[in-house]
Amino acid sequence: KQEVTQIPAALSVPEGENLVLNCSFTDSAIYNLQWFRQDPGKGLTSLLLIQSSQREQTSGRLNASLDKSSGRSTLYIAASQPGDSATYLCAVNPIKAAGNKLTFGGGTRVLVKP
Amino acid sequence: DADVTQTPRNRITKTGKRIMLECSQTKGHDRMYWYRQDPGLGLRLIYYSFDVKDINKGEISDGYSVSRQAQAKFSLSLESAIPNQTALYFCATSDLSPGQAFGPGTRLTVL
Repeated sequence: KQEVTQIPAALSVPEGENLVLNCSFTDSAIYNLQWFRQDPGKGLTSLLLIQSSQREQTSGRLNASLDKSSGRSTLYIAASQPGDSATYLCAVNPIKAAGNKLTFGGGTRVLVKP
Repeated sequence: DADVTQTPRNRITKTGKRIMLECSQTKGHDRMYWYRQDPGLGLRLIYYSFDVKDINKGEISDGYSVSRQAQAKFSLSLESAIPNQTALYFCATSDLSPGQAFGPGTRLTVL
């Protein structure tokens, strides 16, 4: 059974520091991995999707890497801002699970202090 | 208007009551999903549907049932709510391409 773990569960940094969020998964047989942002009272917003054949994806200040063989992904957020405060979730789409079903990690709650 | 809507957004109910959570989408996606989120556990899949005639159990389907009334509508029911079903419930949709679109969530409290 695929298990996804995110460490740490919570993170607090001063504004301007770079954020590094970690995600690990137990089964490397995945189609893709996604990073989501969750704000209180709102749904999930997809940030980046990395296909299994890719090593990284970038969007603005966000960069996500994928090392499928070691079962790890890292989300980097450069020059953090208070507006980056949210919970960040990673999710994998396992090959053994038919049809785009996702297995989620528990999330990392981020606080960026002004 | 939002692509994926959920009603109600908040609900407080008592043990033993029947509850229905509704999800509607305007994205034209065939696939719809129901997840629940508990603190620190991420989202777990309850049920999913690939089209109107296709319903499948997810990881934690016990105590829940679903109905796919149309391509755009997917309802989740708790036949007899219990306190450990207190959680945040999300509906999501997708097509054949990677990625899912999520609704805003329904916060359910069972007393």
